Amino acid sequence: QKEVEQNSGPLSVPEGAIASLNCTYSDRVSQSFFWYRQYSGKSPELIMSIYSNGDKEDGRFTAQLNKASQYVSLLIRDSQPSDSATYLCAVSVPGSARQLTFGSGTQLTVLP
Amino acid sequence: DADVTQTPRNRITKTGKRIMLECSQTKGHDRMYWYRQDPGLGLRLIYYSFDVKDINKGEISDGYSVSRQAQAKFSLSLESAIPNQTALYFCATRVGGPNTGELFFGEGSRLTVL
Repeated sequence: QKEVEQNSGPLSVPEGAIASLNCTYSDRVSQSFFWYRQYSGKSPELIMSIYSNGDKEDGRFTAQLNKASQYVSLLIRDSQPSDSATYLCAVSVPGSARQLTFGSGTQLTVLP
Repeated sequence: DADVTQTPRNRITKTGKRIMLECSQTKGHDRMYWYRQDPGLGLRLIYYSFDVKDINKGEISDGYSVSRQAQAKFSLSLESAIPNQTALYFCATRVGGPNTGELFFGEGSRLTVL
């Protein structure tokens, strides 16, 4: 089982709709969770981080964390064509290194 | 100018050649990382360094070596390149401490091994 799993997609939603991206992780003691956005041919950039159970909202983006079920999700409200990108889920594994483990990404296309 | 700079941005080489990818940063971060990205596999960690004297292997270090020449410079070498090392390589930096997971990525180095 991969440590961090995402549906690869592609996921297509119409402009203005809510896009829902999901991620599950295998290590129960994971502490920190991140969503990165990567446009085609570009480097990943952080859009959301979440550390405790519940929802965290930032503009049109909401991250949801459920540690008991070991999943983290990203909701994008009022999706825009400029949101079309690959979204990478990343999990911080406890320990001295605290490096991130990435999922393989979900490709999102927002249709005008 | 980018805070994390990678050179070269694109490189085509032949099997068996030695290749060095360089990374420099102006963010003042102690932690530096090298990842490779392959379609469908996401980002996989090759090596990471917490300072010039602290270098660690990641999950896919075989066939690679690194050098941390200074706090701001972290180079990745392929001593004898092989075709399955064809990938997009990213350098990244991060500030130290707990719950500071944001990685700042360079623009990437696309390597093709023929």
